[in-house]
This record gives sequence, structure tokens and C-alpha cells, in this order.
Amino acid sequence: SAVISQKPSRDICQRGTSLTIQCQVDSQVTMMFWYRQQPGQSLTLIATANQGSEATYESGFVIDKFPISRPNLTFSTLTVSNMSPEDSSIYLCSVERGREAFFGQGTRLTVV
Amino acid sequence: KNEVEQSPQNLTAQEGEFITINCSYSVGISALHWLQQHPGGGIVSLFMLSSGKKKHGRLIATINIQEKHSSLHITASHPRDSAVYICAVEAGTASKLTFGTGTRLQVTL
Repeated sequence: SAVISQKPSRDICQRGTSLTIQCQVDSQVTMMFWYRQQPGQSLTLIATANQGSEATYESGFVIDKFPISRPNLTFSTLTVSNMSPEDSSIYLCSVERGREAFFGQGTRLTVV
Repeated sequence: KNEVEQSPQNLTAQEGEFITINCSYSVGISALHWLQQHPGGGIVSLFMLSSGKKKHGRLIATINIQEKHSSLHITASHPRDSAVYICAVEAGTASKLTFGTGTRLQVTL
């Protein structure tokens, strides 16, 4: 199994500001995934983060809005930049190990 | 049309009932995951299937690759089973998941 520590668990932010979400995995993984879950919706993949290279973003998501860092094989950050109320969502990081998916506890973001 | 469709969207059951949640997908997959999401937002993996059937306690998951369909069954349901159950498929080599919209289950006494 894998344990992922994600923080913060929730935050309320002013529009126009930025929030950085951190995920720490208990052991090394090649890929980390960042997802967004808008209210009442399913999860949508934002990007895949590999250590030592730029993240790969899915259609509709751009690096300027969601910059990602992956400084080593156990840690990644996702920043939500220049926030607007439409960014209010749950953000989750995920890894796969042994063909099983593991998720962080999620960050519930509210932008006011 | 979503690549992953779940039914029903909402389900209310009485304690002890047998519950079935269905998942259909339209793409070729390498694996299918059943996940459980509690109100706080945290997600727990229940099963990963690539064929056949798996059982864990009161939970049973089946998959029919030819029909592109999977089911999650809960026997002797209990209020603590109340959660959103999500089907997700894995296609390609990047291990990225595509998620269904989830089934919100409420089990009452």
C-alpha cells in the first residue's frame, strides 16, 4: 500500500490569490497524478507529474494556471494561480502502486 | 457521451439489502477500479479488476471485458456503507484513470 499525505485539507481563499497544495508519498513513485473534482462532478485529470521533467497537462489545463513541481520521487506540489470562484473544487493527488490507485485526502478549496 | 457511465446515480437502501452498482465503458481498457469516496472527500480504492471477479468482505466486484461492463455488489448493506462509489478505467500505458460520475449510496436503518 501507499500512504499519501496531502495538505492543506481545506482552505478558503480570496479571488486573485494563489494556493499551493502539497503531496508527500511514503515511498518513491515514478508518476504522480493531480485531479480536480468540481462540485457534483467526477474527477478530472489535470496533469501527470514525473520527476525531473515538466508535467504533462490534459486538455483544458495549462501550466500558467496550474504550475506543478516534482522535485523528487516522493513529493509534488500543485499551485492554483490567480484563483476565481470557478476554481472552487476538491483537488486530489494520486499514485499507482501494484496496479492499485492511492489518493491523498483531498484539498477542499473555496474561492470567495 | 462519457467514456464511463455509472448507474444508478443515486441509490437509497435499507440496512441489510443487497446492492448493485453498474459501470459501462466504451473504450478498451487495461484495468477497472472501484473506488469509495466519503463525504470529507477522501478516496479509498476498493478493487482493481482486469478480468473475472474479486471479493473482499461484503463487497464483490465483477467485470465482463467483452461486454465492457462491471458491477459492484454490496451484501448485507450497512449505514457505514453510505458513500459515493466511483468506477474508473485505466487505458494505455500512462496509468491515467478516467472516472465515472459516481453513485451516491445512502443506507438507512
